[in-house]
Amino acid sequence: KQEVTQIPAALSVPEGENLVLNCSFTDSAIYNLQWFRQDPGKGLTSLLLIQSSQREQTSGRLNASLDKSSGRSTLYIAASQPGDSATYLCAVRPETSGSRLTFGEGTQLTVNP
Amino acid sequence: NAGVMQNPRHLVRRRGQEARLRCSPMKGHSHVYWYRQLPEEGLKFMVYLQKENIIDESGMPKERFSAEFPKEGPSILRIQQVVRGDSAAYFCASSGAANYGYTFGSGTRLTVV
Repeated sequence: KQEVTQIPAALSVPEGENLVLNCSFTDSAIYNLQWFRQDPGKGLTSLLLIQSSQREQTSGRLNASLDKSSGRSTLYIAASQPGDSATYLCAVRPETSGSRLTFGEGTQLTVNP
Repeated sequence: NAGVMQNPRHLVRRRGQEARLRCSPMKGHSHVYWYRQLPEEGLKFMVYLQKENIIDESGMPKERFSAEFPKEGPSILRIQQVVRGDSAAYFCASSGAANYGYTFGSGTRLTVV
């Protein structure tokens, strides 16, 4: 059974800091990995999707890496801003096409002005 | 493209009533997934459907819960005889081809009083 763990559970940083969120998964037989953002009381916004054959993806100030063999992914946020405050969720999709995502519990990020 | 549309956004039901949650996937997406997020908990898979077929319902409670995705119209998650413990945010996601990521709707927040 796939298990996804995110560390830390919560993080508070001053504005401008670069930060790293960690995600680990127990079964390396994944098709892809997706990072989402969830604001309080809102839905999920997709940030980055990394296919299993890829090592990283970048979008603006966000960079996600994937080490499939070791079961790890990191989300790097450069020059953090108060607007980045949200819960960040990591989810993996197994190799079986079309199957469900397994989510981590999330990292709650607060960026202080 | 309006994205994944869920309605209603908020739903209040008395104990014992029925709740019907609707989800229209993104145009061109034929895979629909329902997830539940209990207060202060992570996202848990409930059911995966394709048009007119339930592919995986392993995450759905055996009683009172059902889901469908008819040939025409939205996917419906139905909860009969709701109880207080059903109060949660219910999210729908859709995907296209296997290498695409998920797109989530804004969710339906069910409150049972």
